[in-house]
Amino acid sequence: DIVMTQSPATLSVSPGERATLSCRASRDIGKNLAWYQQRPGQAPRLLINGAFTRASGVPARFSGSGSGTEFTLTISSLQPEDFAIYYCQQYNNWPPRHTFGQGTKLESK
Amino acid sequence: EVLLVQSGAEVKRPGESLKISCKASGYTFTNSWISWVRQTPGKGLEWMGMIYPGDSDIRYSPSFEGQVTISADRSMNTAFLQWSSLTASDSAIYYCARRADSYDFWGQGTLVTVTS
Repeated sequence: DIVMTQSPATLSVSPGERATLSCRASRDIGKNLAWYQQRPGQAPRLLINGAFTRASGVPARFSGSGSGTEFTLTISSLQPEDFAIYYCQQYNNWPPRHTFGQGTKLESK
Repeated sequence: EVLLVQSGAEVKRPGESLKISCKASGYTFTNSWISWVRQTPGKGLEWMGMIYPGDSDIRYSPSFEGQVTISADRSMNTAFLQWSSLTASDSAIYYCARRADSYDFWGQGTLVTVTS
């Protein structure tokens, strides 16, 4: 199975600053990578699809980049509501094994 | 508006059976895969498997095959996840999600607690 590794596990950033989250795949997944945000007590919410395409309604401060095995989620100017856990997920394989990373907790510094 | 509404929280004893549901609305149910995802504090989000209601094609993660059964009822626009014999390790939050490449809409989650 493809293993997704996120770093760091916890990221402390001040409101208004930029946050950069990383996700690495154990083998090439092309651009078949999604990012999700999960706030406490809520279901995950799709932010980015296809490595860099923002989902409907997602603010422009969220951007995704990368392909192959290295991916990045950047939040350009952190708002209070952005402090949450972020997961990456690959959906490259068939038969499907849509594995998730272990998550990065973004906390306010 | 696409909505996935899951059944409510469950408290069960080890060895009991359980079937939880995910009712879809706002789109053509038979045209999209529905996946099930488990969340636990220790293992995070785990993809369990998915079903295509249009033809009932089902794909399981090897980690969950034989442990759970995924099904769907097209007449009810509802997907199901069931266990024949629960164990304490099945305690988790279970989410259904619609697949459109990635997972664009999620249910609110069903908390399953298995305790003696």
